[in-house]
Amino acid sequence: EAQVTQNPRYLITVTGKKLTVTCSQNMNHEYMSWYRQDPGLGLRQIYYSMNVEVTDKGDVPEGYKVSRKEKRNFPLILESPSPNQTSLYFCASTKVGGPTGELFFGEGSRLTVL
Amino acid sequence: AQKITQTQPGMFVQEKEAVTLDCTYDTSDPSYGLFWYKQPSSGEMIFLIYQGSYDQQNATEGRYSLNFQKARKSANLVISASQLGDSAMYFCAMRAPALQGAQKLVFGQGTRLTINP
Repeated sequence: EAQVTQNPRYLITVTGKKLTVTCSQNMNHEYMSWYRQDPGLGLRQIYYSMNVEVTDKGDVPEGYKVSRKEKRNFPLILESPSPNQTSLYFCASTKVGGPTGELFFGEGSRLTVL
Repeated sequence: AQKITQTQPGMFVQEKEAVTLDCTYDTSDPSYGLFWYKQPSSGEMIFLIYQGSYDQQNATEGRYSLNFQKARKSANLVISASQLGDSAMYFCAMRAPALQGAQKLVFGQGTRLTINP
């Protein structure tokens, strides 16, 4: 089954404790991206990757890091989480040059930083 | 700048009625795509419908149709014969060549739709 898998789905942590949210897709997509969703703001892009070893900042990258060492994986790293990073996070992927450019989303990871 | 605006934070509709969710967009690219996603209370993002800027006809997918008015830069989602299961948050989104080679989607703020029995 074609899918984007995120882990963990739910996480409560404390300020300053490093965490990683993993993302893996099995559709051989070149493009992967992380979004955060906050009430009244819709989804905003954090980072994206056009292919292996090619990453760049999105609209709200502060406090986040990413890496793309393999095509299927795109982890999101919070080196020192703060309460303003409490949010619902989505990983998404798509094939570069695909017919519609539809983004395929993971199920979301709800993060609470105390 | 590429921008999506959804002006209805919330809507309440009686079951079996049709509902229209508004979406306006702003882009200077002549080639772009418009999407609608549904987000139920469980949180996942479900793709509903897509409209390309050069498509001659409005997109339809079952009970969903997209009322695409290019001159007005609007892409409203129409749900016919609404059902209780349609209660969810709905997001309008756009891709355009200026957005990371047309891979990035820019999203509106969302509209929370509630279907009353």
